[in-house]
Amino acid sequence: GENVEQHPSTLSVQEGDSAVIKCTYSDSASNYFPWYKQELGKRPQLIIDIRSNVGEKKDQRIAVTLNKTAKHFSLHITETQPEDSAVYFCAAYKGNDMRFGAGTRLTVKP
Amino acid sequence: DAGVTQSPTHLIKTRGQHVTLRCSPISGHKSVSWYQQVLGQGPQFIFQYYEKEERGRGNFPDRFSARQFPNYSSELNVNALLLGDSALYLCASSLWARLALNTGELFFGEGSRLTVL
Repeated sequence: GENVEQHPSTLSVQEGDSAVIKCTYSDSASNYFPWYKQELGKRPQLIIDIRSNVGEKKDQRIAVTLNKTAKHFSLHITETQPEDSAVYFCAAYKGNDMRFGAGTRLTVKP
Repeated sequence: DAGVTQSPTHLIKTRGQHVTLRCSPISGHKSVSWYQQVLGQGPQFIFQYYEKEERGRGNFPDRFSARQFPNYSSELNVNALLLGDSALYLCASSLWARLALNTGELFFGEGSRLTVL
């Protein structure tokens, strides 16, 4: 089955700096790659996603890149703000099965 | 418009007991998926139901079962609870069974936090 690895597990940045989180997946048939933000005690919320027919997608301060050949995708957050502090999960989807990474705890220091 | 709703929000059970968790999808969504999220880890896929039929099953023992009703709401049942079943159980809904190439996303509920003592 699909295996998703996510790095780093924790990330601390200064406010205004950029943050990058990387994920790799194993199943080349995966075709949808969402990123979720989960605040403590809250539901995972979709922040951006990318499909396998696209290499890059941007939404304001957030961007995602996908390298299908290397089977990895990355989340980029620019101009980080304290409210960006949360746990971020990547996921890879195939068929009807969504596999999540273990998460990255991002802390943005004011 | 209401999002995905789950009940109960918190519950405590003892080993060997049984639990039923409930989920109502977003209006119009026909697919419901269940995930288990152990503290400090990412959600793990348990089941997907679409139009009352099981469409996918993760690597969970037979103690876990689910069903979907004609109104697309769903129940997750766990029998013979173990300490390791303590987790946040998330329900997610989507419009279709598969998140097709150009449309569709999963919407999560707030979850049911189960503690097994």
